[in-house]
Amino acid sequence: KAGVTQTPRYLIKTRGQQVTLSCSPISGHRSVSWYQQTPGQGLQFLFEYFSETQRNKGNFPGRFSGRQFSNSRSEMNVSTLELGDSALYLCASSPSAAHYNEQFFGPGTRLTVL
Amino acid sequence: AQSVSQHNHHVILSEAASLELGCNYSYGGTVNLFWYVQYPGQHLQLLLKYFSGDPLVKGIKGFEAEFIKSKFSFNLRKPSVQWSDTAEYFCAVNWLDTGRRALTFGSGTRLQVQP
Repeated sequence: KAGVTQTPRYLIKTRGQQVTLSCSPISGHRSVSWYQQTPGQGLQFLFEYFSETQRNKGNFPGRFSGRQFSNSRSEMNVSTLELGDSALYLCASSPSAAHYNEQFFGPGTRLTVL
Repeated sequence: AQSVSQHNHHVILSEAASLELGCNYSYGGTVNLFWYVQYPGQHLQLLLKYFSGDPLVKGIKGFEAEFIKSKFSFNLRKPSVQWSDTAEYFCAVNWLDTGRRALTFGSGTRLQVQP
């Protein structure tokens, strides 16, 4: 099975712009979670989608949003970019939203905000 | 607030040395516990997990971890490390009482194994 794929792998934006990141889960997986990884804050949970519905949300401002499509692919959007949004954004997929299901991580999208 | 602590930020070992990485979480309740590894240039991979039952869990590549509920700890161990174990290791916790699945990660431990 192909793993979790994320596009693009690298992105450079300027402050004030918006960005959309994409995640394709492992085939058959219906849950997608997003995490932000920075040197200062480490790995932090952004949100989780299951069956096109946001199930959980972390402590991030409303500039961070996401959605999931009927084929389980997910997109994450960040509006009005700030320098502090520079990070590695990781997507993880899982067969379902059940707590006992392992989450499989993708390679991430590295976002640099100038 | 929920938090996960990994006290060792950078560990340097020689090959064949034993490894123990500490992980403590902030409070009890029902938890799922994980150790993930990130090899240089690669994505996060699951090493092992604890959901219930035997508190000593075995994972891939000879790693094991012990859940000690009274100490809120889930330490990772390996009897004899190899150069290929050089990587960053993350402990993660999911508190089931919150009713949601959201991993809280520790800050990571960078392991460097010298040949």
